[in-house]
Amino acid sequence: QSVLTQPPSVSGAPGQRVTISCTGSSSNIGAGYDVHWYQKLPGTAPKLLIYGNNNRPSGVPDRFSGSKSGTSASLAITGLQAEDEADYYCQSYDSSLGGVFGGGTKVTVL
Amino acid sequence: QVQLHQWGAGLLKPSETLSLTCGVYGGSFNNYYWSWIRQPPGKGLEWIGEINHSGSTNYNPSLKSRVTISVDTSKKQFSLKLNSVTAADTAVYYCARWPRSHMGYYSYYYAMDVWGQGTTVTVSS
Repeated sequence: QSVLTQPPSVSGAPGQRVTISCTGSSSNIGAGYDVHWYQKLPGTAPKLLIYGNNNRPSGVPDRFSGSKSGTSASLAITGLQAEDEADYYCQSYDSSLGGVFGGGTKVTVL
Repeated sequence: QVQLHQWGAGLLKPSETLSLTCGVYGGSFNNYYWSWIRQPPGKGLEWIGEINHSGSTNYNPSLKSRVTISVDTSKKQFSLKLNSVTAADTAVYYCARWPRSHMGYYSYYYAMDVWGQGTTVTVSS
């Protein structure tokens, strides 16, 4: 059971918009700690996708966006493409536990 | 551009000690915290613990009794030891850089922005 809760899977057709939620608590997201998102492809290390709730590193397409409110955060992918099929993880800091991750969400492009 | 390269034994028997090392290349070692994270087969990412250049450590409470993270600043390396392993410790293990900044009582935790390539560790009799 992960400290941050994500849906196990989401899916969408090419070109559609999908969102992934990440729900935490008052000791992590709700305490004001930022949320970061990673894209994980099989056999590769996680790749930083969104940092500081809503910032994209250089090279990440602007189809990816993040937001945070209260004890939750969301990752949105607009204009879904086949290459976006991957696992996505949210991550934050917890005042009692240290580093915490969501359980991961598998994005399937139909 | 900083890169992390990790190595260590990939096949262990139950009750043995897992030992991995991560080297930092092409960038600063000091002023950062360095983490270990793992991903069991079919499961999500789990933070194991971290260390900074002066040896200050923090551990995941669920693993704290079995984990030791150490640092060798002269070599720009940090290491993970996990003792008394079982099949449940079978996972891909990653090292990563986890920057943060401290301003009085407030700490800002940045993203884990640089990752090692991962090491598959299998525990089997």
